Amino acid sequence: GQNIDQPTEMTATEGAIVQINCTYQTSGFNGLFWYQQHAGEAPTFLSYNVLDGLEEKGRFSSFLSRSKGYSYLLLKELQMKDSASYLCAVRSSGGYQKVTFGTGTKLQVIP
Amino acid sequence: IAGITQAPTSQILAAGRRMTLRCTQDMRHNAMYWYRQDLGLGLRLIHYSNTAGTTGKGEVPDGYSVSRANTDDFPLTLASAVPSQTSVYFCASSDEQGNEQFFGPGTRLTVL
Repeated sequence: GQNIDQPTEMTATEGAIVQINCTYQTSGFNGLFWYQQHAGEAPTFLSYNVLDGLEEKGRFSSFLSRSKGYSYLLLKELQMKDSASYLCAVRSSGGYQKVTFGTGTKLQVIP
Repeated sequence: IAGITQAPTSQILAAGRRMTLRCTQDMRHNAMYWYRQDLGLGLRLIHYSNTAGTTGKGEVPDGYSVSRANTDDFPLTLASAVPSQTSVYFCASSDEQGNEQFFGPGTRLTVL
């Protein structure tokens, strides 16, 4: 099976940097995803990592260490609109695109 | 339409009734998925389809059925709704690689 852990809630200040961690245990790792979900809305894709290292996309970066079962999402120059839940999801190899989502980290950005 | 749509937006349903949630995408994606999202439990996969004509069970399939008659549509049916099926339901689609799932706006279902 799969187990994904991420903090339930975080608070950060506008303009600052925040790091949201995700640890996972899975058999047959085949990629890790981060999604953003604003309250009452659908999740939207942020990043995909399948190899170790850092992927940068504008103000958002995602890091993966497969040997440690660890990822983080880094948000720079925080804006109020970044207040949302951030979902870590892991794909395992298998007969279909099996993606398991963590319960999400609710980030509140304060002035 | 552009992307993925779901209907209805919300629904209140009496227990024991049959209900079909609709999902349509126009991105020609082969893979489609149904998730439910409950507070504290995150998104859980109900059923999926890798391509038209095929379907499979996800993590929580009991009480739900799906069909995939064509590429664009992937309806989810609750044969006899129960209160534990009260949830927000998201449909999603992706290409064969599945490196990005596109989600519909969701259906908020309440079963009384």
